[in-house]
Amino acid sequence: EDQVTQSPEALRLQEGESSSLNCSYTVSGLRGLFWYRQDPGKGPEFLFTLYSAGEEKEKERLKATLTKKESFLHITAPKPEDSATYLCALSITGANSKLTFGKGITLSVRP
Amino acid sequence: GAVVSQHPSRVICKSGTSVKIECRSLDFQATTMFWYRQFPKQSLMLMATSNEGSKATYEQGVEKDKFLINHASLTLSTLTVTSAHPEDSSFYICSARDRPGYNSPLHFGNGTRLTVT
Repeated sequence: EDQVTQSPEALRLQEGESSSLNCSYTVSGLRGLFWYRQDPGKGPEFLFTLYSAGEEKEKERLKATLTKKESFLHITAPKPEDSATYLCALSITGANSKLTFGKGITLSVRP
Repeated sequence: GAVVSQHPSRVICKSGTSVKIECRSLDFQATTMFWYRQFPKQSLMLMATSNEGSKATYEQGVEKDKFLINHASLTLSTLTVTSAHPEDSSFYICSARDRPGYNSPLHFGNGTRLTVT
């Protein structure tokens, strides 16, 4: 059965304290892995797409990496405005064009 | 670019009534739109795939007669929750791709918070 698991469920950081969020998966065929940011009461906002193991993408303080079993979202020197829920989603072979989402990681960054 | 607009953002209705939610792609055309539902502290669950000019495809366990989807144009899909009950209270979010391909990202609206009293 295709599964996507995100950990930890919640993460509290001090401003400037770098860390990583994990998205692990077991799927029959991965077409792509997506990272989204979701603020409370809002829809998810697209961050990155990763297609193959070894690929990396960066945007400001965020860097996403991908292996054959998991993806990491590294946050360098986070700021309070980085506080949000981070979702990963998979596009899976045979699942048409839909995305399967993990439960998300709620990040809180204290000033 | 790639803006998806959803309306209303919040709605409160009485049990037994119907509610319509609109999803528009503002700066692109979308032959397919996706409707998700999200319960507190839970993941987004796909409800149905809306196809312009044809019937929607519903995920297993989603009642077609309760959640009516109409995709009448390339920029508008609607979700109608019929005979709503308190257990239908949730956050409903629509999404679409601005370019073809399974690996193109989905762009989401800002969601509709439905509360059924």
